[in-house]
Amino acid sequence: AQSVTQLDSQVPVFEEAPVELRCNYSSSVSVYLFWYVQYPNQGLQLLLKYLSGSTLVKGINGFEAEFNKSQTSFHLRKPSVHISDTAEYFCAVDSGYSTLTFGKGTMLLVSP
Amino acid sequence: GAVVSQHPSRVICKSGTSVKIECRSLDFQATTMFWYRQFPKQSLMLMATSNEGSKATYEQGVEKDKFLINHASLTLSTLTVTSAHPEDSSFYICSARAGTSGNTIYFGEGSWLTVV
Repeated sequence: AQSVTQLDSQVPVFEEAPVELRCNYSSSVSVYLFWYVQYPNQGLQLLLKYLSGSTLVKGINGFEAEFNKSQTSFHLRKPSVHISDTAEYFCAVDSGYSTLTFGKGTMLLVSP
Repeated sequence: GAVVSQHPSRVICKSGTSVKIECRSLDFQATTMFWYRQFPKQSLMLMATSNEGSKATYEQGVEKDKFLINHASLTLSTLTVTSAHPEDSSFYICSARAGTSGNTIYFGEGSWLTVV
């Protein structure tokens, strides 16, 4: 079985500050990892993904994430956030069981 | 990137009636489509997985006779909520993937269902 833990349900941050959204996973097999963003009343948009290769993955909107196999983590980072980054962020893992397992989500709240 | 379209984006129906939500992959062939339900301020709950041309696989606790899923072609899947009740009101999201595990899963815009 696989599971995803997003420890922070909500992360408040000021505009232009750096942010890290944490994600830990558990799986008995190799995994593929994803971060999705959901804006209010919308579907999910892919931010970035790790399939193999370099453990540092760059995505859209200036986000990046680092896969750490020993710590089973895939934390999402952005060096300087904007008001428009306010949204719900979901970490997800795919370990070959046909679909994604999602974390509970982290609400990123960016204020001026 | 790939596009998945859902229709309608919002629908209101009367209790006891049925409503159909469509999910289309616009620029790729979706061998597998997924249907999720999302309650306010919560994560996505997988309802079922469907592969083109075969019966959907439902997650435990999801009533297959109430939530009918059809995946008749490589670009279209439908979710029909039968005999809808107010507790079925929710945000339903579909997603689609070309190929196998590891390929990106793309999500539709979601459909708000309100049963009155």
